Amino acid sequence: DVKVTQSSRYLVKRTGEKVFLECVQDMDHENMFWYRQDPGLGLRLIYFSYDVKMKEKGDIPEGYSVSREKKERFSLILESASTNQTSMYLCASSFGGAGSNQPQHFGDGTRLSIL
Amino acid sequence: AQKITQTQPGMFVQEKEAVTLDCTYDTSDQSYGLFWYKQPSSGEMIFLIYQGSYDEQNATEGRYSLNFQKARKSANLVISASQLGDSAMYFCAMREGNFGNEKLTFGTGTRLTIIP
Repeated sequence: DVKVTQSSRYLVKRTGEKVFLECVQDMDHENMFWYRQDPGLGLRLIYFSYDVKMKEKGDIPEGYSVSREKKERFSLILESASTNQTSMYLCASSFGGAGSNQPQHFGDGTRLSIL
Repeated sequence: AQKITQTQPGMFVQEKEAVTLDCTYDTSDQSYGLFWYKQPSSGEMIFLIYQGSYDEQNATEGRYSLNFQKARKSANLVISASQLGDSAMYFCAMREGNFGNEKLTFGTGTRLTIIP
């Protein structure tokens, strides 16, 4: 069965801390994505990756970076956490080059609070 | 301009009735795909159904069907015989352009509540 695993369901951090959110998929997917979800705004794409060591900016990359050293793992990094980064973070993965009808598969999400 | 518009922030529907969730989209590409996802209160996003821009027939998956009206740029989700477990947030999303662009643009969602 398809599985995308995010390391934490809930996380509380302090302003200025460096925060790591981890995501692992077991489906051998090429593509991986990080979104944040806020009420009334839907899901917004932060960063994505089409291959190992590749990364592309999404719509709201400011204040974030990513790392993809292995195909199955995609990490989101908050360089210096701020209160406006309190949000639900969702990781997703999908097949690459397999046609446009391939859905993205999501993890359960990490609810991050920055105090 | 919004690429995906979901005009219903919330809906209340009686159990066993059919539900239509609205989604309109904006793109100048000829090739695109439309997806619907369900997000229960537990938070996970569940893929429901897909419609390609060149698909001639409306997509169906069990109780879910997609009412695709290309000229109106509309891709409404229809849930037949609603159940209490259908209560959730529903998101419409679009992938634009040709093969190789895997990004999705999401709407703001509709919160559906099924009333017993």
